[in-house]
Amino acid sequence: QVQLVESGGGLVKPGGSLRLSCAASGFRFSDYYMSWIRQAPGQGLEFVSHMSSRSTDINYADSVKGRFTISRDNAKNSLYLQMNSLRADDTAVYYCASPTMGWGQGTLVTVAS
Amino acid sequence: ENVLTQSPGTLSLSPGERATLSCRASHSITTYLAWYQQKPGQAPRLLISGASRRATGIPDRFSGSGSGTDFTLTISRLEPEDSAVYYCQQHGVSPWTFGQGTRVDIK
Repeated sequence: QVQLVESGGGLVKPGGSLRLSCAASGFRFSDYYMSWIRQAPGQGLEFVSHMSSRSTDINYADSVKGRFTISRDNAKNSLYLQMNSLRADDTAVYYCASPTMGWGQGTLVTVAS
Repeated sequence: ENVLTQSPGTLSLSPGERATLSCRASHSITTYLAWYQQKPGQAPRLLISGASRRATGIPDRFSGSGSGTDFTLTISRLEPEDSAVYYCQQHGVSPWTFGQGTRVDIK
C-alpha cells in the first residue's frame, strides 16, 4: 500500500535551517507530482510547494518563496524540502503529499528561541 | 490564486442521514480536485481524487461529483466515525489551494 514517511522535523531557532525528507513506497513515485503541505497549530491546510514528476514544474507559496527549496530523487523514491531563514510563523506540521496517492503522517517543525 | 470556498462551515446531522458538502472554485479546475477527511490529531486522509474517484479503502458511502468550478462530496449514510473536518484541494492551477474546511458533527 501507499506509504509516505516524513523525517527531519524538530526545534530550530529563528533564522535557522532544516531539511525535511519524505520516503515513498507502494507506488511508482517517479510518475507523480509531489508536494509539501503544512498545518499550523489549530489552523487549516496550507500549500507550501509542489514539484512535477520530472522536476520541470515547481511552485512555491508566496510565504516561503526564496527561503524554501523543494527537490526530489526519483531513484531513491524521495522528496525533500530545504528550509532556510526560518521564522516563528513557519511553525507547523509538514506533510509530504500527493493529491492522487495520499499523505504522510507529518513531521513537526517548531521555530522558537 | 484560485480560491476554494467550502459550505456550510459546520454540518450537524444524525447517524444514517445524508451529508452534502460543497466546494466552489473561483476559476475552473476541470476535475483536478481532491477531498480529504481529518480527525483530531491525525493527518488528512485522501477520500476522493479527480473529483469523483474514491481512494483505496474508502467506503462507498463517500462519493464525489462535479467539474469546472462546482464540486460536491456526499456521505450517503453517516456513521459516528465520520465526525471530522473535510477539506477540498485543487491542483489544477498554481498555486494549489485548499478550502477552509467543513466540520461534520454527528449528533
